[in-house]
Amino acid sequence: SQKIEQNSEALNIQEGKTATLTCNYTNYSPAYLQWYRQDPGRGPVFLLLIRENEKEKRKERLKVTFDTTLKQSLFHITASQPADSATYLCALSPSGSARQLTFGSGTQLTVLP
Amino acid sequence: GAVVSQHPSRVICKSGTSVKIECRSLDFQATTMFWYRQFPKQSLMLMATSNEGSKATYEQGVEKDKFLINHASLTLSTLTVTSAHPEDSSFYICSARVRRVNTDTQYFGPGTRLTVL
Repeated sequence: SQKIEQNSEALNIQEGKTATLTCNYTNYSPAYLQWYRQDPGRGPVFLLLIRENEKEKRKERLKVTFDTTLKQSLFHITASQPADSATYLCALSPSGSARQLTFGSGTQLTVLP
Repeated sequence: GAVVSQHPSRVICKSGTSVKIECRSLDFQATTMFWYRQFPKQSLMLMATSNEGSKATYEQGVEKDKFLINHASLTLSTLTVTSAHPEDSSFYICSARVRRVNTDTQYFGPGTRLTVL
């Protein structure tokens, strides 16, 4: 069965450091991989999308890599700030018209001042 | 752009009653909307895919007669939890699919916290 794993349930880092979150998947061939941020009691907020034929995507302090051989995506936040503290979700969608998303369980990031 | 709203943000109801949740795309038209459920400290689980003008497609294990979905216009989808029970208490989130050049993603509403007493 399809499985999406995010490396750890919780990650604490010091302000200013780079946070690296991992998303691994099995039994899946996604066309897109996406990262979302979710704050407590709120819906997810879209951050970045990367396609299967792309290796890296950047947006301001965020960087996403996508290795379809390893079946892994890495999500980096550079120069992290306490305001970056949230749960980060990776989500995969297959090719096809529906573009349904399957979510990982999320990693709760805490950036310590 | 791509703002999605949900109403109400939270609702408390008695067991056996029905609850309707609205999902609106405010600044765009959404031919496809999705409904998710999220339990505490768990990820989002897709319940159903809602297409404007047609019947919703439900995921395995989701009862279509219990979770009624109506997508009557390009900006509104509703989820009605019928005869709600305490085990239906959860965080319900909708999303709308946005298709633009070089991107195809979903924008989520803020969620509705349902508590069934």
